[in-house]
Amino acid sequence: DAKTTQPPSMDCAEGRAANLPCNHSTISGNEYVYWYRQIHSQGPQYIIHGLKNNETNEMASLIITEDRKSSTLILPHATLRDTAVYYCIVHPGGTSYGKLTFGQGTILTVHP
Amino acid sequence: DADVTQTPRNRITKTGKRIMLECSQTKGHDRMYWYRQDPGLGLRLIYYSFDVKDINKGEISDGYSVSRQAQAKFSLSLESAIPNQTALYFCATSDFRASVTDTQYFGPGTRLTVL
Repeated sequence: DAKTTQPPSMDCAEGRAANLPCNHSTISGNEYVYWYRQIHSQGPQYIIHGLKNNETNEMASLIITEDRKSSTLILPHATLRDTAVYYCIVHPGGTSYGKLTFGQGTILTVHP
Repeated sequence: DADVTQTPRNRITKTGKRIMLECSQTKGHDRMYWYRQDPGLGLRLIYYSFDVKDINKGEISDGYSVSRQAQAKFSLSLESAIPNQTALYFCATSDFRASVTDTQYFGPGTRLTVL
């Protein structure tokens, strides 16, 4: 799996958009970009994933650069409950091997 | 995700004891996984199963065994627990048949302490 690089921590004011960057310069053509988050020792929660196009769901938006070497997760209106560790993961699609490789992630702190 | 349950949620045991952690899912997914997480570290894959008859070792399978009793149930056993197996254990599922992207959904975790 391709390696990802994320800032170790970020802050965001409640109600503002949180933009979490991720670099994955060695991503392969068949690898998807996934985002998960983990809130204080709970099970990791799936947020969103994408291959080439930008994606949006009820939780977040994912912006992937045209060269696919980086992406940004956007939480449009952060709340205190969004405080968590956010993991950017690249994972091959159509593969027989299912391991997700979790790095250190970004600790996002949302403050009042 | 309430569709993936793990029992027990917390367990304290002694060195040398056999212990089983259980995972059940109502999502109808074909794939199931066991991960462990140590403080300050990412998740590491212990075992994974693509269907009832297909079980594979992950990166840290030594000291563990698994059983896929049915599509919905995947158990992890520690045959003789040791203190360095103290960790958070997570079960996950994915529906590879429906989507080739293998999106995994995690259970709430089991906190295991081996004294």
